[in-house]
Amino acid sequence: EADIYQTPRYLVIGTGKKITLECSQTMGHDKMYWYQQDPGMELHLIHYSYGVNSTEKGDLSSESTVSRIRTEHFPLTLESARPSHTSQYLCASAAGAYEQYFGPGTRLTVT
Amino acid sequence: DQQVKQNSPSLSVQEGRISILNCDYTNSMFDYFLWYKKYPAEGPTFLISISSIKDKNEDGRFTVFLNKSAKHLSLHIVPSQPGDSAVYFCAASAGDDKIIFGKGTRLHILP
Repeated sequence: EADIYQTPRYLVIGTGKKITLECSQTMGHDKMYWYQQDPGMELHLIHYSYGVNSTEKGDLSSESTVSRIRTEHFPLTLESARPSHTSQYLCASAAGAYEQYFGPGTRLTVT
Repeated sequence: DQQVKQNSPSLSVQEGRISILNCDYTNSMFDYFLWYKKYPAEGPTFLISISSIKDKNEDGRFTVFLNKSAKHLSLHIVPSQPGDSAVYFCAASAGDDKIIFGKGTRLHILP
């Protein structure tokens, strides 16, 4: 069972603020992912990483950025939050090509 | 254009009966299919998967069937239990380390 953690779980923040969503995993997985999901919709891949110093943009365009300085840590940053960024952000990791293991998510509300 | 489609947003099933969740896909390059279960305010958890070289995979109460010619898969849960009430996401991969998700089906198990 993968152990993957996200903080904060819930965040309400005003427009224009800079925020960082944290994601850490203890399984030593090389691959990590960030998804954005709105209610009733599919998960959209916004960023992924194959390992340290590797970051790629996903299929859904996002104004966020990510970094991968350590294997276990994959934070996502929004430089200037806007109401359109209100969503649930899900972090996942994987050892192989298929099964991904998800954290509990961060529900972000930008007012 | 959606590559993974779950056409039923919700489904209600009596406790003890069989739950059948359906999923269609359009991309013939998909070679691996997964089902995830998601409770509110939690991240998705991996449930069961199937490779395109198989047409059935069973794990306890959960069975996934794959019909490649119809580009259709289904998840059977029998018998259905109250704890099965959740959103179920169908997902597919072409072996490129990415997973494409459907919009999910909300399953309600009725007492």
